[in-house]
Amino acid sequence: NAGVMQNPRHLVRRRGQEARLRCSPMKGHSHVYWYRQLPEEGLKFMVYLQKENIIDESGMPKERFSAEFPKEGPSILRIQQVVRGDSAAYFCASSQETSTGYLYEQYFGPGTRLTVT
Amino acid sequence: DQQVKQNSPSLSVQEGRISILNCDYTNSMFDYFLWYKKYPAEGPTFLISISSIKDKNEDGRFTVFLNKSAKHLSLHIVPSQPGDSAVYFCAARYNTDKLIFGTGTRLQVFP
Repeated sequence: NAGVMQNPRHLVRRRGQEARLRCSPMKGHSHVYWYRQLPEEGLKFMVYLQKENIIDESGMPKERFSAEFPKEGPSILRIQQVVRGDSAAYFCASSQETSTGYLYEQYFGPGTRLTVT
Repeated sequence: DQQVKQNSPSLSVQEGRISILNCDYTNSMFDYFLWYKKYPAEGPTFLISISSIKDKNEDGRFTVFLNKSAKHLSLHIVPSQPGDSAVYFCAARYNTDKLIFGTGTRLQVFP
């Protein structure tokens, strides 16, 4: 059973460009979370999605950031008009739901390291 | 507002001894706590978890203790091994929702 996949692993963008980060959850997992880690800090929650639905986006900056998890294909975190402060490691996690609605632990992908020059 | 705190940024322990990593939290609504281990340039790896209805959970060399009245949990690793050297993150959640992470403790196990 393959783990959570993220690509690209490293992404370099110039200021003003767009960054698209992809996440494929573990097989059987329908819940996806995105976290951001700035240097020397812990992981900060950004957004929680289920298939075709955004459940909680309380950690997402109001502008330039968006996320989706379509019925088919990976989850996408999109950052428009990137700025130097967006440079960070972005981690995706997935979890599965029990028949009673309880969520198991979140399993993380290897991350995408975004560098804005 | 840091709801989950790991006040020790680093810890150095000799191989074979016990490592104790601490975590404090402020939100009494948290109902599930997790510990993750992270190597550089990799994603966090789930280690062990504990529900708020328990006070101890053990898995091999790893034991997590929860003291709800003190809003404190700790991870014990015994015996410590050099391969345990990594950054350890404490995390908490409620409403089966997002994880709130601490800032991490860097553990170094030396021979």
